[in-house]
Amino acid sequence: EPEVTQTPSHQVTQMGQEVILRCVPISNHLYFYWYRQILGQKVEFLVSFYNNEISEKSEIFDDQFSVERPDGSNFTLKIRSTKLEDSAMYFCASTGGVPANYGYTFGSGTRLTVV
Amino acid sequence: DQQVKQNSPSLSVQEGRISILNCDYTNSMFDYFLWYKKYPAEGPTFLISISSIKDKNEDGRFTVFLNKSAKHLSLHIVPSQPGDSAVYFCAALVKTSYDKVIFGPGTSLSVIP
Repeated sequence: EPEVTQTPSHQVTQMGQEVILRCVPISNHLYFYWYRQILGQKVEFLVSFYNNEISEKSEIFDDQFSVERPDGSNFTLKIRSTKLEDSAMYFCASTGGVPANYGYTFGSGTRLTVV
Repeated sequence: DQQVKQNSPSLSVQEGRISILNCDYTNSMFDYFLWYKKYPAEGPTFLISISSIKDKNEDGRFTVFLNKSAKHLSLHIVPSQPGDSAVYFCAALVKTSYDKVIFGPGTSLSVIP
């Protein structure tokens, strides 16, 4: 069964450093997403991406965040200057059709720890 | 912003019995509701969805019921199996072009053998 692949599985970084979280969505999918889950809290929408541009973003997704699909297969989330409160599980997701019928396919997540 | 609520953080059920997970929402504009299951160290997995124009959808052991007037939905799992032990997220979306899904806080289900 096709998978969404995320790397690394765990990243530790110092506060103020830049991090790039990488995702390889399912190859024929058209819509891409980043979500995050702070420990003990709910899964929160960050951004959606379609047709090579951001289609929607939440208030969490401020100027420190950016997304890119540089080569048609990878989908990256960059945090320019990490803060302690950015520590969370970050989930990439993709869908080829209507999420209402098929849901998203999520990756296994990257645990980001900012120290 | 608590548009999707799951008021029970945890639930324990005996194997073979019915598990009922509840969810309430506040936004009457939601078009679809979804249930996801999540194991530790894995991403959420889509289980089942229901359109706001329906009141029931069934898929094997999983049935979702929607009561629009009460803004309430529930997921029934019958019979419950130990492998069903996971965190269950209720989620909802407004059918815009990009389908942003809003998740509830989750309910941790333990199925006891």
